[in-house]
Amino acid sequence: QKEVEQNSGPLSVPEGAIASLNCTYSDRGSQSFFWYRQYSGKSPELIMFIYSNGDKEDGRFTAQLNKASQYVSLLIRDSQPSDSATYLCAVNIRKLTGGGNKLTFGTGTQLKVEL
Amino acid sequence: ETGVTQTPRHLVMGMTNKKSLKCEQHLGHNAMYWYKQSAKKPLELMFVYSLEERVENNSVPSRFSPECPNSSHLFLHLHTLQPEDSALYLCASSQDRVGANEQYFGPGTRLTVT
Repeated sequence: QKEVEQNSGPLSVPEGAIASLNCTYSDRGSQSFFWYRQYSGKSPELIMFIYSNGDKEDGRFTAQLNKASQYVSLLIRDSQPSDSATYLCAVNIRKLTGGGNKLTFGTGTQLKVEL
Repeated sequence: ETGVTQTPRHLVMGMTNKKSLKCEQHLGHNAMYWYKQSAKKPLELMFVYSLEERVENNSVPSRFSPECPNSSHLFLHLHTLQPEDSALYLCASSQDRVGANEQYFGPGTRLTVT
């Protein structure tokens, strides 16, 4: 079982629709969860993080966390063509002795927003 | 300059060459990371430094040698690489604190080994 799983897609949504991206993780001890956006040929850009059960909203983005079911999702409202990218889910599997944190990444979901 | 910077942005090297990748963070963070991103594979954590001390070496071959002279700078020294080492190498930094410790990435170095 992969530690962090995402559907690779592509997920195609029309402009203006809600895009829903999902991620499941295997380690019940995971504490914090991150969504990164990565455009082709670019580096990952942090767009949301969440560490409490429930929803967290930031503009058009909403992160949802359900620790009991071990999933985290990202909703993008009013999707725009500029949202077309690969979205990476990352889970803080453990805090490292001596400092720093170990993030485990999924393979990413490719989102295409069509005109 | 803001955020996390990396140089060079592109690098082509032969298998017998020695080169170094440089990363600098301007965020006042106390932890820095090297990741490798290959096509169709998840980001792979290579090394973690916290307060200039290496705290994680994720079973990386010895042909990759990290160096962290201070909390703002991180290097990855490369020697006798293999073609399968061709990838995007990403540097990231974070501030170690209670709660979420989000990592911010630099633009990456696209490495091609010939």
